[in-house]
Amino acid sequence: EAGVTQFPSHSVIEKGQTVTLRCDPISGHDNLYWYRRVMGKEIKFLLHFVKESKQDESGMPNNRFLAERTGGTYSTLKVQPAELEDSGVYFCASSQVPGYTEAFFGQGTRLTVV
Amino acid sequence: SQELEQSPQSLIVQEGKNLTINCTSSKTLYGLYWYKQKYGEGLIFLMMLQKGGEEKSHEKITAKLDEKKQQSSLHITASQPSHAGIYLCGADMEAGGTSYGKLTFGQGTILTVHP
Repeated sequence: EAGVTQFPSHSVIEKGQTVTLRCDPISGHDNLYWYRRVMGKEIKFLLHFVKESKQDESGMPNNRFLAERTGGTYSTLKVQPAELEDSGVYFCASSQVPGYTEAFFGQGTRLTVV
Repeated sequence: SQELEQSPQSLIVQEGKNLTINCTSSKTLYGLYWYKQKYGEGLIFLMMLQKGGEEKSHEKITAKLDEKKQQSSLHITASQPSHAGIYLCGADMEAGGTSYGKLTFGQGTILTVHP
């Protein structure tokens, strides 16, 4: 069984540009989470999808971040326009049941904004 | 201040030694998860604890959640180089499971095991 897959693994963009990160969850997992770790800080929650609906987007930093989940399958996280402070590692996780069970994480996308 | 404090921040041990990593919160933990991360890889699930006083083991790793459900410890017995990596505790901080799987993480503990 394939795990959670994230694309790209690394991205280097200039300030002001747009970047789109993609996450393919484990097949059949309705719950999809985005997290971010910026340098020197702990991993922080960004948002949670249940199928194609946003259950909780309380962790989204600002309106430069847009997350979508087409048809309840893969998800994209777009940053537009990117700022220097957006640099970090973006993780995606998926689970069958929300909470009280294991969430499977992808390998992360390392985003560097220069 | 952080909601979850991990200690120590880094740890260097000789192969074969035992070690303990702690994860402490000022609030009740409704689910406590331990993950391990190697550089460039995702988080690998180790164990989940929910009940006060609960203890779980897998191979040489044991995790406990205290009775008050505000502190967890991860203990590795007879450490090996393969145990090296970043250990992260993550917790469900909201009562009644209302967080729907949203986790709050500690800052991580970097473990180095010298052969």
